[in-house]
Parts: sequence; C-alpha cells; structure tokens
Amino acid sequence: ETGVTQSPTHLIKTRGQQVTLRCSSQSGHNTVSWYQQALGQGPQFIFQYYREEENGRGNFPPRFSGLQFPNYSSELNVNALELDDSALYLCASSLVESYNEQFFGPGTRLTVL
Amino acid sequence: AQTVTQSQPEMSVQEAETVTLSCTYDTSESDYYLFWYKQPPSRQMILVIRQEAYKQQNATENRFSVNFQKAAKSFSLKISDSQLGDAAMYFCAYRSPNTGNQFYFGTGTSLTVIP
Repeated sequence: ETGVTQSPTHLIKTRGQQVTLRCSSQSGHNTVSWYQQALGQGPQFIFQYYREEENGRGNFPPRFSGLQFPNYSSELNVNALELDDSALYLCASSLVESYNEQFFGPGTRLTVL
Repeated sequence: AQTVTQSQPEMSVQEAETVTLSCTYDTSESDYYLFWYKQPPSRQMILVIRQEAYKQQNATENRFSVNFQKAAKSFSLKISDSQLGDAAMYFCAYRSPNTGNQFYFGTGTSLTVIP
C-alpha cells in the first residue's frame, strides 16, 4: 500500500504565470481534497474531487481549478498567479464513505515572485 | 463558516513531562467531528486523534488524550510522557457532516520538546 505522493516538491513561478501541481492518492482512495497552507497558518480547504467531479469547494476564486483522473490521481491548476498564492499546497485522499480518514501528502511548496 | 481557534502559537515541554494544547471552536451544530493533526518538520500531516461530538467519552490513543467539553466548545490535547519525536506543529480541526468533506483547521501550535 503506497501513501499519498505529490510533485513537485518545490516550485518557483512569477506573477501571472500558470502552475499545475500533482497528487497521487493512497491506493484504493476515491476522493482527493486540496488545501492551501500559507506560512504560519493552518490549511484552508480549496476543493474536493470524487468520481472526477468537483463535489465541494472552499472560498477560492475560479482561477483555482482541478482534475481527477480515473486512476484517482489529481491535479491542481492555478491561473494568473498572485504573490499571495505562495504557500504549501497539500492534497489529502480518503474514501467517500469515510471522510474522517484523510491521509495527507507531503505538499508542494509554491513560491510566486 | 465554522472557526477553530488555537490560542497558543508556541508551547514547550520537558521530555517525559505532560503538556496540554488548547483548541476552541465555534459552531451551531450538534453533530460534528474534531481532530488533532500533527505536522512534523517534514510537513506530512498525520492524524493524532479523533473525537465524535455525540460521544461523551474522551478519545484516547496511547499517550495522547483529549478533553472534550461540548458545552464550552473546547477540545484540548494532552500529551503524556512527551518524547523528542512529538516535536511538531499541532493543528486542531473540525468537520461537519453537513459540509461533508470540508475540514476547518486552526492556526496551529508549535510544540518544542526539551531534552
């Protein structure tokens, strides 16, 4: 059984660019959630995907979008990057029957210059 | 939206001693779930302990236990016999069955364990 993995580990972009972050869910998990963790803050829920569709979203603008693939891996896309998008991005996978059992990945550190 | 407050940005404890981390939350719901997560310097969040609001008995996991006071909306974490490996950021989190998948996290408490 493999855990949740994320790539890349670190990423540096400039303002206005677009970025794609990737997540591979824990084996057998059918939902994936994405969180943004700004420096010194707790994670904030961006959205969740189940059956390749978004089924819950936090208070984030539409330039944050995602995809979930049939193998349950996922992408987070952010367009028109802003300086405030600099953060650690975490993904977490779970079974839809058991949201309480979330497993987190190590995160991707995004720096926007 | 629910809010989760951790009023202790930093805490320290001597190895083998006991420490309590505080958490309060704001909600109008009667059924919900509370969690403590640990985020070591390597960044991967790990679930420490979970409490269902409908259960009166406080959850316990080995050296970790909680003091759940539903009326006071308080959910503290007690770490007994602290070990060097307990050093990490600790986040309190809330989940409502009505919002399904959305977790609300506090701002965290950084725990230092002094040898």
